[in-house]
Amino acid sequence: GESVGLHLPTLSVQEGDNSIINCAYSNSASDYFIWYKQESGKGPQFIIDIRSNMDKRQGQRVTVLLNKTVKHLSLQIAATQPGDSAVYFCAESLEGADGLTFGKGTHLIIQP
Amino acid sequence: DSGVTQTPKHLITATGQRVTLRCSPRSGDLSVYWYQQSLDQGLQFLIQYYNGEERAKGNILERFSAQQFPDLHSELNLSSLELGDSALYFCASSVATGGGRKNIQYFGAGTRLSVL
Repeated sequence: GESVGLHLPTLSVQEGDNSIINCAYSNSASDYFIWYKQESGKGPQFIIDIRSNMDKRQGQRVTVLLNKTVKHLSLQIAATQPGDSAVYFCAESLEGADGLTFGKGTHLIIQP
Repeated sequence: DSGVTQTPKHLITATGQRVTLRCSPRSGDLSVYWYQQSLDQGLQFLIQYYNGEERAKGNILERFSAQQFPDLHSELNLSSLELGDSALYFCASSVATGGGRKNIQYFGAGTRLSVL
């Protein structure tokens, strides 16, 4: 079936810099997207979401951008901190459907 | 802390055996979801229950089954275990059903299953 994928498995950034994590999705019918953060030994933690009728949404230090033309999603983290070290997953679903389809994940490493 | 509780944290068993994983959802949540996380397959949706009834099915094997009880806790039963069933099993819960921004899923810490 169609699936969500990530371009980069590992991203290393300097503390204080901005991080950009990318995600490509293949199901053009998907209309709801979510970013989750998973720290070692923990379950996925909701970060931010966006509907397909939007192209940008901002949270606290995070911004999600959606480009439906090229089926691309990104998560921007401002002023990256050591606590941001984790694996980040994008997930997609259809509004009205329940199960989420997750990408493979990107491991974000923060350099001191 | 997400408010979703999973037990046990770790489970070690042998091939051919049967195990039960338990999940207590966040207070007030009616939906429970089960996901499997393995190195080669990533996070995969298995099944969802809403208010005691099966609501949606994903990539769940016939050897696996689940149920949700009147107190809304859920159990995932894995039988005739194989080496390839070794994985992290996550439970998530949400307020209702229907996906979308009104129904964000919150995950527990998972149960790590090792089949030897």
